Amino acid sequence: KNEVEQSPQNLTAQEGEFITINCSYSVGISALHWLQQHPGGGIVSLFMLSSGKKKHGRLIATINIQEKHSSLHITASHPRDSAVYICAAGPMIYNQGGKLIFGQGTELSVKP
Amino acid sequence: DTEVTQTPKHLVMGMTNKKSLKCEQHMGHRAMYWYKQKAKKPPELMFVYSYEKLSINESVPSRFSPECPNSSLLNLHLHALQPEDSALYLCASSQAVGGYYGYTFGSGTRLTVV
Repeated sequence: KNEVEQSPQNLTAQEGEFITINCSYSVGISALHWLQQHPGGGIVSLFMLSSGKKKHGRLIATINIQEKHSSLHITASHPRDSAVYICAAGPMIYNQGGKLIFGQGTELSVKP
Repeated sequence: DTEVTQTPKHLVMGMTNKKSLKCEQHMGHRAMYWYKQKAKKPPELMFVYSYEKLSINESVPSRFSPECPNSSLLNLHLHALQPEDSALYLCASSQAVGGYYGYTFGSGTRLTVV
């Protein structure tokens, strides 16, 4: 079992739909990162969470530390949101050297 | 400047060639990372530099040789690569090592070994 699990692995939505991507982790973390990667492209950091909820535009990320679970929500989805969304756990202790533990990614396709 | 800049964006090299990938940031970050990413897979950590010193080598073959000449610059020297080394190579930086800091990623170098 992976230390960071994402679901679903693939998601197709119609433009305008509300989208949720889930992430569960089994390791101790200091922060949980949500990343976005467009096809063939580099990675963009969307959120870094250690508690509660963050919002940026149409994107909302939440985390429940007790349940070791985080969600990424996209409101009013748009075709330009089509990308791979990756959840990554940031290590709890310094001597892990900043080694992010990545989930397998969720490939999102938003159809017009 | 809030970017990590990687050059070149694309590289095709033969198995006997020597080439280098370059990564630069001017955010004052003291931790820099090299990742390798194959298609449809998450990134795999290769090397971590902290304050210009190599702190993690994830058992990477010696045909990959990292170098951190100063706090803004990270190089990855490539020699005698194999076709299976073809991948997207991503550089990232953070204020320091450890999970409390956000990461900034570059746009990557797409490497093809022929």
